[in-house]
Amino acid sequence: LAKTTQPISMDSYEGQEVNITCSHNNIATNDYITWYQQFPSQGPRFIIQGYKTKVTNEVASLFIPADRKSSTLSLPRVSLSDTAVYYCLVSGNTPLVFGKGTRLSVIA
Amino acid sequence: DADVTQTPRNRITKTGKRIMLECSQTKGHDRMYWYRQDPGLGLRLIYYSFDVKDINKGEISDGYSVSRQAQAKFSLSLESAIPNQTALYFCATSDPGYEQYFGPGTRLTVT
Repeated sequence: LAKTTQPISMDSYEGQEVNITCSHNNIATNDYITWYQQFPSQGPRFIIQGYKTKVTNEVASLFIPADRKSSTLSLPRVSLSDTAVYYCLVSGNTPLVFGKGTRLSVIA
Repeated sequence: DADVTQTPRNRITKTGKRIMLECSQTKGHDRMYWYRQDPGLGLRLIYYSFDVKDINKGEISDGYSVSRQAQAKFSLSLESAIPNQTALYFCATSDPGYEQYFGPGTRLTVT
């Protein structure tokens, strides 16, 4: 199972763009990169998934360089409600392995 | 109605007792998972099942067992509960290669 490394915590002010980078040096050819968001006492919620280049949806963008050894989750104009833990995961046909994630604190 | 439900939502039990946590899903997914979460440790995989006849151990299966009664149901049992099994337990479901859907969690306290 590919292991990921991401910052333990980040702080941001409301309205700013937040970029969380994740490294996954051992990613396999058939692995996808997936990000989840978790609020306290709730189950994680899917944010975005990608294989290469750039993926964008209504809540975030995911940037993946050509070598796929890292990825960056971009949250545009964060609000207080974006305060949560964000997990970067890599998997193909195997179960997801969650690390400790990045605790994002958005400050007014 | 929620896609993934867990019962009970909260449970307090005593050391040595057997306890079962239940998970049901209406997503029609073949794959189901059980995770536990301790403060500051993220989620750790206990068991997973890719179809009704498939059961696999995860990272931390010792002290736990599971039963996949049907495509929609996946139960987790603690044969003899101990205090360090106090945690938040999540069930999840998915299709192969797609996002996982998590239940609301069961908060278990073993005294």
